[in-house]
Amino acid sequence: AQKVTQAQTEISVVEKEDVTLDCVYETRDTTYYLFWYKQPPSGELVFLIRRNSFDEQNEISGRYSWNFQKSTSSFNFTITASQVVDSAVYFCALSGGAQKLVFGQGTRLTINP
Amino acid sequence: DAMVIQNPRYQVTQFGKPVTLSCSQTLNHNVMYWYQQKSSQAPKLLFHYYDKDFNNEADTPDNFQSRRPNTSFCFLDIRSPGLGDTAMYLCATSRGGFTSTDTQYFGPGTRLTVL
Repeated sequence: AQKVTQAQTEISVVEKEDVTLDCVYETRDTTYYLFWYKQPPSGELVFLIRRNSFDEQNEISGRYSWNFQKSTSSFNFTITASQVVDSAVYFCALSGGAQKLVFGQGTRLTINP
Repeated sequence: DAMVIQNPRYQVTQFGKPVTLSCSQTLNHNVMYWYQQKSSQAPKLLFHYYDKDFNNEADTPDNFQSRRPNTSFCFLDIRSPGLGDTAMYLCATSRGGFTSTDTQYFGPGTRLTVL
């Protein structure tokens, strides 16, 4: 069975601080994909990144970066110089083969001015 | 811009009164999904369509039905809503054959309240 664990239920930081959201996954598939989605208070799930299991290169997109480590089954997400607009619930998700997308429980991130 | 649209954004209904939620997409994607998301929980897949092929999740209540009259539109029908059906309902689409490895793109959701 596939499983995603986001151990941090809630994180609160002050604006401009860096913050890392942890994601640990379990799967028996050798080929799988990992995703991060952002859900602001409006409710829409916004796609951030998709990474396949064969690509362990870290990714940077502006203030966002992702660290994928197969050895520890982790796919962590870092926001540098956080801003109030980053406040949202962030979901890590996993898919493999013909199985459905499996979400973690989400991390609620609050950036205080 | 290509996108996923859901209507209405907010819906209030009475206990037992049927309700229909709508989803449309301009992405021309083959797969459309319906998720239920209750407060402080992750989205839960109800069912999906790959083209016209309907795929129900084993634990989706019979009270929930879906229709996909064409590629662009998909509807969620709740035949007799209960208080426990109060939730956000999210529609999503993905491009290809049903491999859930394709990226799913979500609409803004419909917040349903059952009174």
